[in-house]
Amino acid sequence: QLQLVQSGAAVKKPGASVRVSCKASGYDFTNYCIHWVRQAPGQGLDWLGFINPRDNSRIYAQKFQGRVTMTMDTSTKTVFMDLSSLRPDDTAVYFCGRDIGDYYGADVWGQGTTVTVSS
Amino acid sequence: QSVLTQPPSVSGAPGQRVTISCTGSWSNLGGGFDVHWYQQFPGAAPKLLIYGNRNRPSGVPDRFSGSKADTSASLTIIGLQPEDEAVYFCQSNDRSLNGAVFGGGTKLTVL
Repeated sequence: QLQLVQSGAAVKKPGASVRVSCKASGYDFTNYCIHWVRQAPGQGLDWLGFINPRDNSRIYAQKFQGRVTMTMDTSTKTVFMDLSSLRPDDTAVYFCGRDIGDYYGADVWGQGTTVTVSS
Repeated sequence: QSVLTQPPSVSGAPGQRVTISCTGSWSNLGGGFDVHWYQQFPGAAPKLLIYGNRNRPSGVPDRFSGSKADTSASLTIIGLQPEDEAVYFCQSNDRSLNGAVFGGGTKLTVL
């Protein structure tokens, strides 16, 4: 069925990098962009950007440019989100979401991946 | 500080009607961009509740409705039920930021 399945939780030290994966199934992977959104503990939703599997184009949120990289593997229908130079305030649950067609909304979401940054 | 402004909390008794507001600017809601609404339960991913200002995905009860005018949008829930207790987020696109933006979220308590 239509779903996005994310990789498991990660614990990183400040200054390190983290990779979170999002594997799609149940639909035509190349027809929909994939967004990344994060949520710090007790906080709201924060958009990181999206990648378009059709042409490998990406749009990153201004506040994350230079630290975030989104890539994909079309053979496994998997999207990756790398975040570098991690800080304690990057501790959050990271979600991937399938674009609804307007390049900012998402209709199907992954289960979330907890990333903890601590020394 | 979120780009879209929502009240932190609203409440209502079962059966009542509640409205959650979402206020933006001419760079987002007033700039021709649609608003979407999400419902989120603790420990879960957001769920798309309303898209394109007023459209409900399949499976969303018609108790939920949305509207937008100029730089503001609203989510209305009629016939409030205990299972509606959740956090609700609005979302749009922002021309200046060149990307998606969210409201800070509104915690709905069913009394």
